[in-house]
Amino acid sequence: GDSVTQTEGLVTLTEGLPVMLNCTYQSTYSPFLFWYVQHLNEAPKLLLKSFTDNKRPEHQGFHATLHKSSSSFHLQKSSAQLSDSALYYCALSEGGSSGNKLIFGIGTLLSVKP
Amino acid sequence: EAAVTQSPRNKVAVTGGKVTLSCNQTNNHNNMYWYRQDTGHGLRLIHYSYGAGSTEKGDIPDGYKASRPSQENFSLILELATPSQTSVYFCASGVRGNTEVFFGKGTRLTVV
Repeated sequence: GDSVTQTEGLVTLTEGLPVMLNCTYQSTYSPFLFWYVQHLNEAPKLLLKSFTDNKRPEHQGFHATLHKSSSSFHLQKSSAQLSDSALYYCALSEGGSSGNKLIFGIGTLLSVKP
Repeated sequence: EAAVTQSPRNKVAVTGGKVTLSCNQTNNHNNMYWYRQDTGHGLRLIHYSYGAGSTEKGDIPDGYKASRPSQENFSLILELATPSQTSVYFCASGVRGNTEVFFGKGTRLTVV
């Protein structure tokens, strides 16, 4: 079945350094990929979504590129901020008529320190 | 912004008891989901629905039932609660699977 893999459980960075959180996936179809962010004691909310064309989605300084050849959708930011500390989930949906199932990875906790 | 309301927000249940978690959305979204969140496992899909009257099994449906009596409401039912079902449960809704979903604030369930 479909699956999402996030290899890092915890990423600790110093403020100002670049961020890269890994996400790879397995899917029978051509899925849509998402990044959700969850701050402490809050609900997850959408950060980014892949496009069907080659546009690179960006939001709050974060960006991600869908690479179908490597089945990856890594999240990047050029300079980490303290407020970026949160739990980040990569998620997958098949889309189309069968695309009602939304599957999440195990999440990566990003801790940004001064 | 889309509103998803979960009740109760906190629940303590006894082993073997029946627990019902409720979710209401006023966004007229077709899809609704129930997830549980556990450290080391992330958000795992229990049941989902793509409209009133439909329920589909997610990845970990054992021990759970779901009910979607209307577009707005989606319930998760634990007929015989066990301590392994202690977790934080999130309900979410969305227009379709390939669009943004909106989460409720979660229900913290403790089974003793």
